[in-house]
Amino acid sequence: DSGVTQTPKHLITATGQRVTLRCSPRSGDLSVYWYQQSLDQGLQFLIQYYNGEERAKGNILERFSAQQFPDLHSELNLSSLELGDSALYFCASSGPGSNQPQHFGDGTRLSIL
Amino acid sequence: EDQVTQSPEALRLQEGESSSLNCSYTVSGLRGLFWYRQDPGKGPEFLFTLYSAGEEKEKERLKATLTKKESFLHITAPKPEDSATYLCAVQADTSGTYKYIFGTGTRLKVLA
Repeated sequence: DSGVTQTPKHLITATGQRVTLRCSPRSGDLSVYWYQQSLDQGLQFLIQYYNGEERAKGNILERFSAQQFPDLHSELNLSSLELGDSALYFCASSGPGSNQPQHFGDGTRLSIL
Repeated sequence: EDQVTQSPEALRLQEGESSSLNCSYTVSGLRGLFWYRQDPGKGPEFLFTLYSAGEEKEKERLKATLTKKESFLHITAPKPEDSATYLCAVQADTSGTYKYIFGTGTRLKVLA
C-alpha cells in the first residue's frame, strides 16, 4: 500500500461530459502529480502541484484542469470528454526535497462510451 | 529533446535465467533516475533511486546501476512473481523546473 488514495476506481461516462478525479496524497507529502496512461503511450505527465500551487505542467489539454486544496488533496477535472480520453489516470505524491521518488495510487480507469 | 528509451519492450525468461533491462536517457540536468515495477491494474511501485554515475542499488533479486547515458536493472535468478512491467523515469532540471519523463517500460514474463 503506497498510502496514496484515488477515487473512484472506475468511471464510465459519455462523450461531452465532465468528470472529477480525486487524490489524497501520502501523509506529509506536499507534492501531487497527475499522469495519464494509455496502452500505446505509457505514462504521460500532466501536471504537478506543490502545497497548493502549480509547480510544473506537462502535456495537459486545455479541457483538463487540476487543483490542490489546503488539506493537500487534489482533484483533476476533465471536461468535454472525447473517446480518446479513455485511459488510466494516476496520481502520485512525493515527500519534501527536490529529487524524491514518487509514490503512486492505483489509478482511476476512465471509459468514455 | 529530453528522452527516455527502454529496451527490450518485452522479455520472457525461464525461472532462474538472469538478464538485464536497459534504460537509456538523453536529458539535460539529470537530478535522479528512478525504477518502478507495475503490476496489471495497479499503480507503479517504487523500487530504486540512482543519483550519479557509478551508483548501484540492490533489493532481493534486483540490482540497478547507472552510467552517464543509461541504467540497467539486473534480475538475478528471477521467479514467476517477478513478472511485471518495469518502468524507468528520470527527473530533469529544465531551467529551474523539474520534470519527470517515463519510459514506456519493459514487460517481463518469468515462466516456471
